[in-house]
Amino acid sequence: SQQGEEDPQALSIQEGENATMNCSYKTSINNLQWYRQNSGRGLVHLILIRSNEREKHSGRLRVTLDTSKKSSSLLITASRAADTASYFCAASGNTPLVFGKGTRLSVIA
Amino acid sequence: EAQVTQNPRYLITVTGKKLTVTCSQNMNHEYMSWYRQDPGLGLRQIYYSMNVEVTDKGDVPEGYKVSRKEKRNFPLILESPSPNQTSLYFCASSFTRGGTGGEAFFGQGTRLTVV
Repeated sequence: SQQGEEDPQALSIQEGENATMNCSYKTSINNLQWYRQNSGRGLVHLILIRSNEREKHSGRLRVTLDTSKKSSSLLITASRAADTASYFCAASGNTPLVFGKGTRLSVIA
Repeated sequence: EAQVTQNPRYLITVTGKKLTVTCSQNMNHEYMSWYRQDPGLGLRQIYYSMNVEVTDKGDVPEGYKVSRKEKRNFPLILESPSPNQTSLYFCASSFTRGGTGGEAFFGQGTRLTVV
């Protein structure tokens, strides 16, 4: 499968710091997507980066994509306590969207 | 409001008693899927459907059935639930299975306990 695998599994930072999460996948993709999940709730789409893009921004989010290394990173700048959640990447191609195990981010006020 | 609606949100049942979890979307999406989420295992896909009357197995289909008779509905059926199916279940939909416009919308989840 084209499963995304996030790293680290858990991350704890102080409010105001930046948080970086990484994702690796296995095969060729059309795009890579990042989602957020608050505890026990449904995933919410954050950002999509196409395979021909290298970097994309949305508010405090910055996503990079390196197709040669089959990896992506999600940077959240100036984190807030409300950013505390789990973050998942999902590689999208010719097979169904498959998610990794996620990175659990804790932002301490 | 665009949404994916799952019911019920919480369910406790006994082993072997057939149950159905409903999922409905109002966005005219072609693609729908079911996931289960377990601690340490992340989200695993159970079944997906690319359109009406078209369904396919995901990574963990054993013990589950689905149907897609209408575009908006994609129920998950457990014919004979067992305790190892205790989990948090999510339904999701999108316009396509991937590619541009493949953003998935998720329901709020169904927490199922089988005793």
